[in-house]
Amino acid sequence: DGGITQSPKYLFRKEGQNVTLSCEQNLNHDAMYWYRQDPGQGLRLIYYSQIVNDFQKGDIAEGYSVSREKKESFPLTVTSAQKNPTAFYLCASTRQSVPGYTFGSGTRLTVV
Amino acid sequence: RKEVEQDPGPFNVPEGATVAFNCTYSNSASQSFFWYRQDCRKEPKLLMSVYSSGNEDGRFTAQLNRASQYISLLIRDSKLSDSATYLCVVNAGGFKTIFGAGTRLFVKA
Repeated sequence: DGGITQSPKYLFRKEGQNVTLSCEQNLNHDAMYWYRQDPGQGLRLIYYSQIVNDFQKGDIAEGYSVSREKKESFPLTVTSAQKNPTAFYLCASTRQSVPGYTFGSGTRLTVV
Repeated sequence: RKEVEQDPGPFNVPEGATVAFNCTYSNSASQSFFWYRQDCRKEPKLLMSVYSSGNEDGRFTAQLNRASQYISLLIRDSKLSDSATYLCVVNAGGFKTIFGAGTRLFVKA
């Protein structure tokens, strides 16, 4: 079955540590996205990518970095510069002319 | 003012009830509209798109009012399995997509 796989499901980060969240899709979708969800708030866009080797900052990109070396993969690195990283991170993809996002099952990141 | 606003609820309704949620948006240039469902600690899933003429999918009916800048979701004959958070999503073109914070629904036996 086609879909988006995010790993790990739970991740714990120590202060000052960089961590990378994995996102892989086999839907042949061109566009991929990273969102952050905090309690009581809507999803906020961190980064998005329309094609391989190209990506754009979203509304809250500070403290995060991404790469898009392959169409199927869009990993997100949460750097030590992100001061409040505890959140639920969702990766999504879309196909041109087809409405709606397909989301991965998410990664719950906690700072310890 | 938030770009997309929803009543956070929770709405507590008995099985079989009809319940309606509204969502207002601030950008009059918004082009496409959706309702997503999100179960506790899970990812959002597309419930339905919202079209100008209104649309229905089984027990679910979505309406769009461009003049007043709101969309609505009506759920008839509520089931226990309808318990979830319902997210209003508005796209203003390109990658400008705004998610509402969601309305929580609890359906009781």
